Amino acid sequence: AQSVTQLGSHVSVSEGALVLLRCNYSSSVPPYLFWYVQYPNQGLQLLLKYTTGATLVKGINGFEAEFKKSETSFHLTKPSAHMSDAAEYFCAVSSTGTASKLTFGTGTRLQVTL
Amino acid sequence: DTGVSQDPRHKITKRGQNVTFRCDPISEHNRLYWYRQTLGQGPEFLTYFQNEAQLEKSRLLSDRFSAERPKGSFSTLEIQRTEQGDSAMYLCASSSPDRTNYGYTFGSGTRLTVV
Repeated sequence: AQSVTQLGSHVSVSEGALVLLRCNYSSSVPPYLFWYVQYPNQGLQLLLKYTTGATLVKGINGFEAEFKKSETSFHLTKPSAHMSDAAEYFCAVSSTGTASKLTFGTGTRLQVTL
Repeated sequence: DTGVSQDPRHKITKRGQNVTFRCDPISEHNRLYWYRQTLGQGPEFLTYFQNEAQLEKSRLLSDRFSAERPKGSFSTLEIQRTEQGDSAMYLCASSSPDRTNYGYTFGSGTRLTVV
């Protein structure tokens, strides 16, 4: 069984500040981990993914995430927030990659203020 | 690559009516998924096809729900005798058989409102 916990349903940062969105997972097998972004009334867009190899993964729009097995975490960061980053962010886990269903967290809404 | 298309974008229906949604995946993707997302929640897996074969169904998919992918291309999701609890965003996604391309491409979803 797999599960994802996203700490903080709402996060507010100032423009130019560090963005940190937290994700912890539970998986009985080595996980594949994903971050998706969702803008209002839109589908989900893949930001980045961890499958194997390098534990620090870089994604689109300046986001990156680090897989920490010992902490069962996959936190999403961005050094400097932009107004266009305001959206809902979902962490997801899969146990067998492309062919497997994803289990999503409940999401974190990121607000960016001036 | 025209992306994953879903139709309609919005559907309002009266309780007890049947509704059908359509999903057109990316043409070279042989895997197709349906998810349901309620307000304030992450998407929940409903079902998955590889080509025309439906390989997995969630227990969320009650007997009022049926999904098909008859020719391994587009898919339909039908809900019979809709209930207010069916109100949600229904998301379709597809993925490539290329094992290096993990992660899905999602469509923009169909928002269902049952009144």
